[in-house]
Amino acid sequence: GAGVSQSPSNKVTEKGKDVELRCDPISGHTALYWYRQSLGQGLEFLIYFQGNSAPDKSGLPSDRFSAERTGGSVSTLTIQRTQQEDSAVYLCASSLNLAGVSDTQYFGPGTRLTVL
Amino acid sequence: KNQVEQSPQSLIILEGKNCTLQCNYTVSPFSNLRWYKQDTGRGPVSLTIMTFSENTKSNGRYTATLDADTKQSSLHITASQLSDSASYICVVSLGAGTALIFGKGTTLSVSS
Repeated sequence: GAGVSQSPSNKVTEKGKDVELRCDPISGHTALYWYRQSLGQGLEFLIYFQGNSAPDKSGLPSDRFSAERTGGSVSTLTIQRTQQEDSAVYLCASSLNLAGVSDTQYFGPGTRLTVL
Repeated sequence: KNQVEQSPQSLIILEGKNCTLQCNYTVSPFSNLRWYKQDTGRGPVSLTIMTFSENTKSNGRYTATLDADTKQSSLHITASQLSDSASYICVVSLGAGTALIFGKGTTLSVSS
């Protein structure tokens, strides 16, 4: 079946505007992760969902960042009042479940966000 | 502090040659270690996953090793191909249901 998809692939916005990023996980995957990859930096964990709940929000950099997941499938990451330092590639990953120790995460292609 | 350090930062090799990438971690508690390949402009793709009890795991021309005592891992690429040019990321997991700790990656360039 299809892999993880994300939209939009590219987003350019002005400082102060709100943006919404979307992630469609692989069908049947209960776990969903959001990461951020800034230029020259490694991947940074933001938040993960098990079903519709988010047990770990520790990676969200500020209260301007929020995420939700409805129906145990699609997730949206919302950034309010965007700042230039929010510019990065936002990656989404999903996995079958969290019960296994070695659960493979499958990544989407990412959304490149540029804040002017 | 949980950290994953990779070396070298970048590497250039000729097609057909072998190479080894290194990963040191200070993550605790340790659950498993993963190696991902990330092509430019694409999301990471899983190559191997090893638990603390596994010493080696292969995936085609890729062989990962793990020494849980010294907290070191390596990824060996045999008979490199041009398509191996990518960023290779070492990732350590604290356990099921937790975030992954990512290294900054090694950028490999294979030239003809």
